Amino acid sequence: DAGVIQSPRHEVTEMGQEVTLRCKPISGHNSLFWYRQTMMRGLELLIYFNNNVPIDDSGMPEDRFSAKMPNASFSTLKIQPSEPRDSAVYFCASSFPPGNTEAFFGQGTRLTVV
Amino acid sequence: GQSLEQPSEVTAVEGAIVQINCTYQTSGFYGLSWYQQHDGGAPTFLSYNGLDGLEETGRFSSFLSRSDSYGYLLLQELQMKDSASYFCAVNTGNQFYFGTGTSLTVIP
Repeated sequence: DAGVIQSPRHEVTEMGQEVTLRCKPISGHNSLFWYRQTMMRGLELLIYFNNNVPIDDSGMPEDRFSAKMPNASFSTLKIQPSEPRDSAVYFCASSFPPGNTEAFFGQGTRLTVV
Repeated sequence: GQSLEQPSEVTAVEGAIVQINCTYQTSGFYGLSWYQQHDGGAPTFLSYNGLDGLEETGRFSSFLSRSDSYGYLLLQELQMKDSASYFCAVNTGNQFYFGTGTSLTVIP
């Protein structure tokens, strides 16, 4: 398996624009996580899906953020409208319950909002 | 909520041993994991403790005490390539919550 695949790797956008980040989890993994990493706040869990269903989105910072998982092999994280404070590295990770002893991370999307 | 604490920075000499501590407060606990992240890279899994005690994987060992809500990662025979950030993460059974990370610098 190629691992968790995220796209794009880098995104530079202007404030106010819509940004869509994409993730393909490892085949067979039932759980998918979106994290945001910044120097100040570390790795923050934004939202967690199990079997394509959003289970906990309490980490989503505000209504400008939304995430979907239309099927077992694809998820998106959308920011609309984007703001400079959204600049961060966004990671997608997947794991296989039960147990979930290990999360497998994608290479991340480095988002810069100017 | 979840709260994990680790030292922000550690410096150690090549060939030495270093211990990175992690204390946690969590609602729901299945185990404690450790991840390594090099600059510009993704976090990668190092070890997992579901039960109290020591787990050893090569030069790396990890320890857990559930009664003390405490764990540590032990790195032996340090190499320059071990310079990276190390994160402890609580597994609540279906989610992973990460600490803020410890930046390890290995010096010659």
